[in-house]
Amino acid sequence: EPEVTQTPSHQVTQMGQEVILRCVPISNHLYFYWYRQILGQKVEFLVSFYNNEISEKSEIFDDQFSVERPDGSNFTLKIRSTKLEDSAMYFCASSRTGGNTEAFFGQGTRLTVV
Amino acid sequence: SQQGEEDPQALSIQEGENATMNCSYKTSINNLQWYRQNSGRGLVHLILIRSNEREKHSGRLRVTLDTSKKSSSLLITASRAADTASYFCATDAGMGSNYKLTFGKGTLLTVNP
Repeated sequence: EPEVTQTPSHQVTQMGQEVILRCVPISNHLYFYWYRQILGQKVEFLVSFYNNEISEKSEIFDDQFSVERPDGSNFTLKIRSTKLEDSAMYFCASSRTGGNTEAFFGQGTRLTVV
Repeated sequence: SQQGEEDPQALSIQEGENATMNCSYKTSINNLQWYRQNSGRGLVHLILIRSNEREKHSGRLRVTLDTSKKSSSLLITASRAADTASYFCATDAGMGSNYKLTFGKGTLLTVNP
């Protein structure tokens, strides 16, 4: 069964460093997303991406964050200068269409900023 | 309460019993989805119910949606120890192609063998 894959599964980085989280969405899906879950808290929407541009972003997704689809399969989230509060589980998701359809999530990347 | 609030926060039952979890939300929605998350792992999609649907089944799962009360329930019948996980409802209230899910805090279900 097709699935969303994310790498790495764990990432430890020093405060101020840049990190890139990688995702391979399901191949026939057109809409891609990043969510995050701070330990013990809700899963929060960060950004949605369609047709090589951001469709919507939350107030969490500030100038320190960027997304890219560098080729036909990968979808990345970059955090330019990590802060301690960026420590969280980051989930990539994809959906076939842009609304009223299932969103499938990856296993997540646990980011720890020290 | 915020969009997508589940109750109870925690539920402990014996194997073979049924588990019912509820979700309430505040705004109009396009659909509501239920996800399962094993401890520290990814989100597994369970079921989607659209705003014009009232009930949906998938295996041992039964989901209801009452848009007049802005609430949904997830019933897991004949529970198994492997059903132990956190269960989240997520609502899609986006306009057009602006599709984003708003998650609740989840219900932690423990099924004791």
